[in-house]
Amino acid sequence: DAGVTQSPTHLIKTRGQQVTLRCSPKSGHDTVSWYQQALGQGPQFIFQYYEEEERQRGNFPDRFSGHQFPNYSSELNVNALLLGDSALYLCASSSLGLAGSGANVLTFGAGSRLTVL
Amino acid sequence: GIQVEQSPPDLILQEGANSTLRCNFSDSVNNLQWFHQNPWGQLINLFYIPSGTKQNGRLSATTVATERYSLLYISSSQTTDSGVYFCAVGNTPLVFGKGTRLSVIA
Repeated sequence: DAGVTQSPTHLIKTRGQQVTLRCSPKSGHDTVSWYQQALGQGPQFIFQYYEEEERQRGNFPDRFSGHQFPNYSSELNVNALLLGDSALYLCASSSLGLAGSGANVLTFGAGSRLTVL
Repeated sequence: GIQVEQSPPDLILQEGANSTLRCNFSDSVNNLQWFHQNPWGQLINLFYIPSGTKQNGRLSATTVATERYSLLYISSSQTTDSGVYFCAVGNTPLVFGKGTRLSVIA
């Protein structure tokens, strides 16, 4: 059973460029959340997608946008990259359709490490 | 929003030693998870434990929801236990603490 898969694993961009990160959720999961983890910090919530809509958003600017596809996979787009966007971007999946505690448990991918020069 | 504090921030152990990591949170929650982040960045879910006690091998966790804290116990530590341990609480979003960085020395 495949877990959460993310691509690419590493990438380097320059300031002002745009980047797209991709995530495939764990089999059976229908919800995708994105987190940004700066060096030495805990992950910070960016947004969550369910039924192809942004369900909730953290304190991130509009340069961060996303999309969820009918097969539940998701993309994170970041425009006009800044040096401060350098971080590990983590995708997590869960299933809001599960009853009880199952809906709350997040499974994380290995992340996409973005370096902005 | 919910505040999550973890202690200690750093911990160095000799292989075979036991340790206790603590997580305090500011509001009542019905979701609390412990994660281990390995050196490659992968977050591994250790426990889903909004209340009560669970054990998995050398690891166990206890959450006292009424007093807003959770403890993660690691017994007979091994070098492979090294990494950062995160406590995360809440629903959407799941709010993470800053983690405890554990180094186990052979």
